[in-house]
Amino acid sequence: DGGITQSPKYLFRKEGQNVTLSCEQNLNHDAMYWYRQDPGQGLRLIYYSQIVNDFQKGDIAEGYSVSREKKESFPLTVTSAQKNPTAFYLCASSQTGGGQPQHFGDGTRLSIL
Amino acid sequence: AQSVTQPDIHITVSEGASLELRCNYSYGATPYLFWYVQSPGQGLQLLLKYFSGDTLVQGIKGFEAEFKRSQSSFNLRKPSVHWSDAAEYFCAVNNAGNMLTFGGGTRLMVKP
Repeated sequence: DGGITQSPKYLFRKEGQNVTLSCEQNLNHDAMYWYRQDPGQGLRLIYYSQIVNDFQKGDIAEGYSVSREKKESFPLTVTSAQKNPTAFYLCASSQTGGGQPQHFGDGTRLSIL
Repeated sequence: AQSVTQPDIHITVSEGASLELRCNYSYGATPYLFWYVQSPGQGLQLLLKYFSGDTLVQGIKGFEAEFKRSQSSFNLRKPSVHWSDAAEYFCAVNNAGNMLTFGGGTRLMVKP
């Protein structure tokens, strides 16, 4: 079955540590996205990528970094500069072109030790 | 700038009762509109989408939504709610390119 796989499901970060969240898709989608979700809030866009080797900042990119070396993969690194990283992180992908729905992974919950 | 408003943060309905979740959008052109559902600790699942044509859209799990241009609304409905429908529901509008703008979500609770 085609889909989006996020790992790990739960992740803990120590102070001053960088952590990387994995996102892999086998839907052959060109576009991929990272969102942050805080309790009782909607989704906020961190980064997105429309094509391999290219990505753009979303609304809340500070303290995060991404890479897009392969079409299937879009890892997100939460750096030590992100002072409030505790949240639920969702990865999504879509075909390009207007009106394409985004397909989501099952998320990674990041907590601070 | 485009925006999406879901006026109801929480809604509680009895099992078997009808349901309507409200969504209002602000967007200059003809929008592409979506409803997603999220169970606790899970990702978002697409319920239905509106692109053009018939303003009443059918989705999965017995849901439907009606696009009303004059009211800038895209409300989600279900005739008879099941306990398994308890979840959080998000309305979204497609703006430039592939980008989605999400509403803040409505949490649905179902009473037995």
